[in-house]
Amino acid sequence: DAKTTQPPSMDCAEGRAANLPCNHSTISGNEYVYWYRQIHSQGPQYIIHGLKNNETNEMASLIITEDRKSSTLILPHATLRDTAVYYCIVRVGGGNQGGKLIFGQGTELSVKP
Amino acid sequence: GAVVSQHPSWVICKSGTSVKIECRSLDFQATTMFWYRQFPKQSLMLMATSNEGSKATYEQGVEKDKFLINHASLTLSTLTVTSAHPEDSSFYICSARNERGAYEQYFGPGTRLTVT
Repeated sequence: DAKTTQPPSMDCAEGRAANLPCNHSTISGNEYVYWYRQIHSQGPQYIIHGLKNNETNEMASLIITEDRKSSTLILPHATLRDTAVYYCIVRVGGGNQGGKLIFGQGTELSVKP
Repeated sequence: GAVVSQHPSWVICKSGTSVKIECRSLDFQATTMFWYRQFPKQSLMLMATSNEGSKATYEQGVEKDKFLINHASLTLSTLTVTSAHPEDSSFYICSARNERGAYEQYFGPGTRLTVT
């Protein structure tokens, strides 16, 4: 199973871009990278996912390196409400149409005024 | 995004009793749902995968006779914690996969179980 490695914590100034790195050096060719975040005592919130191309939606951008061994989640203008634990997950099994999400320890992002 | 609900949001029960937690996908059908458990200051741990109309698949180390899962319809899965003990006190979170479109997986708000 592909594993992910993330820094345990990061700080970001309000209004600045937050760049959250993730290493997944053992990822297989058909495994997608997913990002979720969890605000204290709530269920995880889906942010974005991708296979090999960079992706962007209304919440964030996902940059995946060409060798797919790492990725970066970018929150372009972080706000205080973005303070949360961010999880980078490689879906285990089933490519994008099956499998399960196994959570690692995530990165605790603190956005400071 | 799609909505997944859980009921109840919190429950307190006495040791030895059973507790049922419901998980519903409100605006999509979910053949597959998942149950997670989270202890304080820890990450989510997958307990089992629930498939509509068939038996759940449990992760290693999870007692299937203690954590009963029923996925009777495409929008409802239930987790019953049987003969609950204080060590079962935890945050239980369900998730449902939207199998139309891009297969995003959405999570419920969680249920806080306290066993006294």
